Amino acid sequence: IAGITQAPTSQILAAGRRMTLRCTQDMRHNAMYWYRQDLGLGLRLIHYSNTAGTTGKGEVPDGYSVSRANTDDFPLTLASAVPSQTSVYFCASSAGGAYNEQFFGPGTRLTVL
Amino acid sequence: GQNIDQPTEMTATEGAIVQINCTYQTSGFNGLFWYQQHAGEAPTFLSYNVLDGLEEKGRFSSFLSRSKGYSYLLLKELQMKDSASYLCAVRDSNYQLIWGAGTKLIIKP
Repeated sequence: IAGITQAPTSQILAAGRRMTLRCTQDMRHNAMYWYRQDLGLGLRLIHYSNTAGTTGKGEVPDGYSVSRANTDDFPLTLASAVPSQTSVYFCASSAGGAYNEQFFGPGTRLTVL
Repeated sequence: GQNIDQPTEMTATEGAIVQINCTYQTSGFNGLFWYQQHAGEAPTFLSYNVLDGLEEKGRFSSFLSRSKGYSYLLLKELQMKDSASYLCAVRDSNYQLIWGAGTKLIIKP
């Protein structure tokens, strides 16, 4: 693995189903983030984790949950998907500190019908 | 509220120079980032400004004026591969990034 991987690449999901988007990084970065990107809008932060064992809510956390059991993995779960959660989801990580450049995974394109 | 404004779309000619502007109003300021995003791909880091002035990196330069809440990304010697969206993001008082909607840059031969 080099950098950040996300799975699946794309998914079509029926409304009401539960779905977990996976994110793994091998850079030993402390901080990780989940964003959604919708046409005409900027990236919006869903949840973040500054270090393993801690998580926080971003701008649009409703309907989503995360966990950070270790440094490398940061899964995002939709407990009961709704059509408004149709989006492209990006996971990102950063080493932390003042500079804090974020590195992004390739994204997951999710469609909720 | 927090707001980042960028033009939605710009068109430029191969070999020319283009300037993409970004204005921001955020709760606190801890740096401004520019990212490039090709269609269907992830954003990739281009530049970072935290102090006023110009940062130059090859064909790309980024300028910041904190007093005006303003930044621009300058791209010189445009190439077809520069066709992409350019995202402006400001790190706020909570050290989270607030993102603009991006500027789609179209390069014509």
